[in-house]
Parts: sequence; structure tokens; C-alpha cells
Amino acid sequence: QSALTQPASVSGSPGQSITISCTGTSSDVGGYKYVSWYQQNPGKAPKLMIYEVSNRPSGVSNRFSGSKSGTTASLTISGVQAEDEADYYCSSYTSRSTWVFGGGTKLTVL
Amino acid sequence: QLQLQESGPGLVKSSETLSLTCTVSGGSVSSSSYYWGWIRQSPGKGLEWIASIYYSGSTYYNPSLKSRVTISEDTSKNQFSLKLSSVTAADTAVYYCARLTPLRDFDYWGQGTLVTVSS
Repeated sequence: QSALTQPASVSGSPGQSITISCTGTSSDVGGYKYVSWYQQNPGKAPKLMIYEVSNRPSGVSNRFSGSKSGTTASLTISGVQAEDEADYYCSSYTSRSTWVFGGGTKLTVL
Repeated sequence: QLQLQESGPGLVKSSETLSLTCTVSGGSVSSSSYYWGWIRQSPGKGLEWIASIYYSGSTYYNPSLKSRVTISEDTSKNQFSLKLSSVTAADTAVYYCARLTPLRDFDYWGQGTLVTVSS
């Protein structure tokens, strides 16, 4: 199975909004609502930020939001802050009852 | 609070079998509706899902690793395990265990354990 496609890097100034895309196929992102997003800081385990395309776990800032259109899911961070600088990964359940991750996106806050 | 902790050798010789265990505390591996899984991250690379096991015992494997991977659970010890055979340097990575919810997301993760394959 192929990894989901994410931009290698995105950047934004504090206060700006940034969006990270995650493109898959009809067998994964396009076929299910089971898309999730993870934040990973250096040397740390990933942290769940968005589940089921657009839901936030308790404790995650409402500056983080998710959406999906067709085979592309997106993570938007509104009013990006220095503390948001990290790697972000999307994940999707697939038609083969497997899971696939995106290649990851490095967010730089300028 | 659910906690997961990986354990196992940090160094494995090439062609041998990598064996890791994830010990779950604050919850049960036999809790209905949850999956348990293994994910790895090679140095400087992205996340790769390896395998998952459902509370019922059903198993799911990454097709690219399926021939070499076995995931299992020991409900008496509240643990689940990973075995990866015939390892090579390409299997050097940080290995994470995690819980998967009914909505197919990984909501709790272990801290990860680095496994290095040596020649």
C-alpha cells in the first residue's frame, strides 16, 4: 500500500492560518471517515489531534480543525503559534482493513 | 489514565527475529471494541503502520511486512507483542505500540523504543 501524500513542509507566521493536505485514494481517504491527524515533536511519540476527519479529542486546541473533500483530507491550524511547530502526519483506515500514514509535513513557524 | 510501555532488546542481529512487548496499564487489552497496534519510524523518516490486533484476536498486517510479522496478545499479562523475522538494517527504527479506537485512530501511544539491527 502506498503512503498518503503530504507536502514535505509548510510554514507560516504567528497568527496566520496554515493548511496541510493529505491525498489518498478511494480505497482509503476517499472511502472512509476514518482519517486522523497526529502532531509529533522531536523525540516524542505522536499525539492525536484530529479523529474521524474533523473531531478534536478533549484537550486539543480549537485552533486545530480537519476536513475532507473527495480523496484529500486537510488539517488547518488557525492562528498558528510557535508551540505548533512540529511534524504532522495524517492516517487513514483502508479497504483492506489496514492503516496507512502520510509521509509527514514539517511545520515551521517563522 | 491508560499507559503503554514497549520493552525488548535494543539491538538485534541481522537475519534474526525482533521481539517486542507492549505492557498496558490503566486499561485492558481485552476491552471490547479496541484494537492494539504497532507502528515504527525509521531514523529521520515518517510513520509506518506494521500490524494491529482486535480484542477478539483478529489480526491485520501491513502487506509489505506481512510475510515477516506476527502480532499476538497475552490477556493474562495484559500485553501484546510483535515479532519481525529476518531483520535487516532497513528494520532499524523506533517502534511504538498504540491503542486504536473503534473510529480507527491511534489515541494512546507508548513512548517508543529504538531497535537497531546490526550486521
